[in-house]
Amino acid sequence: DTAVSQTPKYLVTQMGNDKSIKCEQNLGHDTMYWYKQDSKKFLKIMFSYNNKELIINETVPNRFSPKSPDKAHLNLHINSLELGDSAVYFCASSQALAGGHIINEQFFGPGTRLTVL
Amino acid sequence: LAKTTQPISMDSYEGQEVNITCSHNNIATNDYITWYQQFPSQGPRFIIQGYKTKVTNEVASLFIPADRKSSTLSLPRVSLSDTAVYYCLVGEGNYQLIWGAGTKLIIKP
Repeated sequence: DTAVSQTPKYLVTQMGNDKSIKCEQNLGHDTMYWYKQDSKKFLKIMFSYNNKELIINETVPNRFSPKSPDKAHLNLHINSLELGDSAVYFCASSQALAGGHIINEQFFGPGTRLTVL
Repeated sequence: LAKTTQPISMDSYEGQEVNITCSHNNIATNDYITWYQQFPSQGPRFIIQGYKTKVTNEVASLFIPADRKSSTLSLPRVSLSDTAVYYCLVGEGNYQLIWGAGTKLIIKP
C-alpha cells in the first residue's frame, strides 16, 4: 500500500486556470506538508497542518490555499495559475511535531509535476 | 533564521567512502539535523538523523561536532545506485524547516 499518495501525477494547464492537487496518507500521522521543488531542485516548504490546524504558512502567494478535511488528507488548491507556478509539488507527512522542534521523519509522496503554459 | 549550506555537486567512484558536509550556523539548541536522499522523479527519503556526536545506521553515518554548526553525512563504500541528490534539513524552533539546496552526488564505475 502506498503510504503517501498524490493525484494527479502530472498536471498541464493554461495560465489563469484554477487547479487542485490531492494528497492522502495512510500512516496515521498527525502532520502533513506541502513542498514546492523548482527546476534547480530547491525544496521550499509551503504549508504544514497538524491535526487539521495550519501550523506552518510560509510566504507564498494567497492564490495557494491548503485544505485539510481530516488529518489523513491535505489538498492544495491554486487559483489563477501563473507560469512561475510550474514545478513539482510534494506532499509529505510525519508524526506530530514535538514541542515546536522538528524531529520527526517525513514521508514524501511521489510528487505532482505541474506545467503551466 | 539559520541557513544551511552544502556543496552543489560531488563525484566519486564505486567502493569509495563519500562525505558530504552541511554547515548550519545559528542552529537552535534543541534542533535535530536530518539528511534525506532523492532519486529522480521521486520524493525525498529519510536517511539519518542526529543531534550531536555520531549516529550510525545500516546505510550511513552522521558526524556532528560539539558546536553543531555543521554535520557530515558519510556513505561507506558507495555504489552506482547511490547517485542521487542529498539534502540536509535543520529543524529550527517555532516550526521552521531549513532545507539545504541539495548536493548532487554522482558515482562513477
